[in-house]
Amino acid sequence: GDSVTQMEGPVTLSEEAFLTINCTYTATGYPSLFWYVQYPGEGLQLLLKATKADDKGSNKGFEATYRKETTSFHLEKGSVQVSDSAVYFCALSDWTGNTGKLIFGQGTTLQVKP
Amino acid sequence: ETGVTQTPRHLVMGMTNKKSLKCEQHLGHNAMYWYKQSAKKPLELMFVYSLEERVENNSVPSRFSPECPNSSHLFLHLHTLQPEDSALYLCASSQVRGRDEQFFGPGTRLTVL
Repeated sequence: GDSVTQMEGPVTLSEEAFLTINCTYTATGYPSLFWYVQYPGEGLQLLLKATKADDKGSNKGFEATYRKETTSFHLEKGSVQVSDSAVYFCALSDWTGNTGKLIFGQGTTLQVKP
Repeated sequence: ETGVTQTPRHLVMGMTNKKSLKCEQHLGHNAMYWYKQSAKKPLELMFVYSLEERVENNSVPSRFSPECPNSSHLFLHLHTLQPEDSALYLCASSQVRGRDEQFFGPGTRLTVL
């Protein structure tokens, strides 16, 4: 079945450092890919998405490019802030009939220190 | 209210209690989902409702009983839970079309004593 694999955390960075969180997937068909973020005590928020190969999703300085040839969707940010500390989830959509479900990675915790 | 709301935000219950979690979406979506998030485990999809019909039940124990009376509301009825059921329960909604993303509520933090 479809699956998503993320790099293990926690990832600890200093403020203004460059961030990469790796995500690879296996899927039949052509799923959409997503990054969600979960701040402490909150639910998941959509950070960005890409719906087809070579699409780049971007939001709040974060970017990820849908790479079909490497089945990857790595999350990057050029300069992280303390407020970016959260858990980040990579996910793909798995559509059966007229209903979709999300397949999530295990999440990667990011800690940014001042 | 906007987005997806969940009540209560926190719930403590004994193993013999009966309680219900409520989810409401204000986005005009027609699919709703229940997820369980436990510490150090991936998000687990529990139930999917599409156009008010249950279309998926991922081998969830019968002590969890979902109800979807209309496209805006989703309930999770709980009875005779176990301590290992303690977790964050997340509700989400989406549009049943194309490749639309899911929108999540803030979750209910459940503790079973």
